[in-house]
Amino acid sequence: NAGVTQTPKFRVLKTGQSMTLLCAQDMNHEYMYWYRQDPGMGLRLIHYSVGEGTTAKGEVPDGYNVSRLKKQNFLLGLESAAPSQTSVYFCASSIAGGLNPNTGELFFGEGSRLTVL
Amino acid sequence: KNQVEQSPQSLIILEGKNCTLQCNYTVSPFSNLRWYKQDTGRGPVSLTIMTFSENTKSNGRYTATLDADTKQSSLHITASQLSDSASYICVVSAKAAGNKLTFGGGTRVLVKP
Repeated sequence: NAGVTQTPKFRVLKTGQSMTLLCAQDMNHEYMYWYRQDPGMGLRLIHYSVGEGTTAKGEVPDGYNVSRLKKQNFLLGLESAAPSQTSVYFCASSIAGGLNPNTGELFFGEGSRLTVL
Repeated sequence: KNQVEQSPQSLIILEGKNCTLQCNYTVSPFSNLRWYKQDTGRGPVSLTIMTFSENTKSNGRYTATLDADTKQSSLHITASQLSDSASYICVVSAKAAGNKLTFGGGTRVLVKP
């Protein structure tokens, strides 16, 4: 049981380039999330999805787009990368939303480290 | 604005000793509070989840407490081991539609032999 898998694990981009981060979960979870983690700051929510075919903006959505065409996959895209997007990106999934402590527990992937030069 | 503040930012302890990490929050209305452990280069892993009615919860050598009146939580590590070296993140959930989790900045713990 792999849980939450992120690819790629590392990537270096030049300013203006585009890329897509892939998140896959095999736990049949409804909710999926993309976070970024920067030094000295808490994880910040970029976008999330409450089910297949749905997406919603989080706390810091500008410069990113997402898609959830299949329940098990959640893609994060950067159309024109900027140095401010240098960060570690984490995907997470949960059975349901954060209100229910039993089903709202987040399961995280191992992270994708992105550097934009 | 919902905020979660953790202290200290970092600490060093000797193997076998105990330590306590603090979490203060202003998230409202409160739903639940979680502690996560994040090893270097890995994703966070859940340690405990507590609701309003719970004031203590244990997971092995980790014990979390919650005082919903003062909006404070603590994570106590007993008889620390080298494998406890990690960042510990406090996360508070608000009663609202969608995902309303507020993450603290974490406390980095280094256990030395």
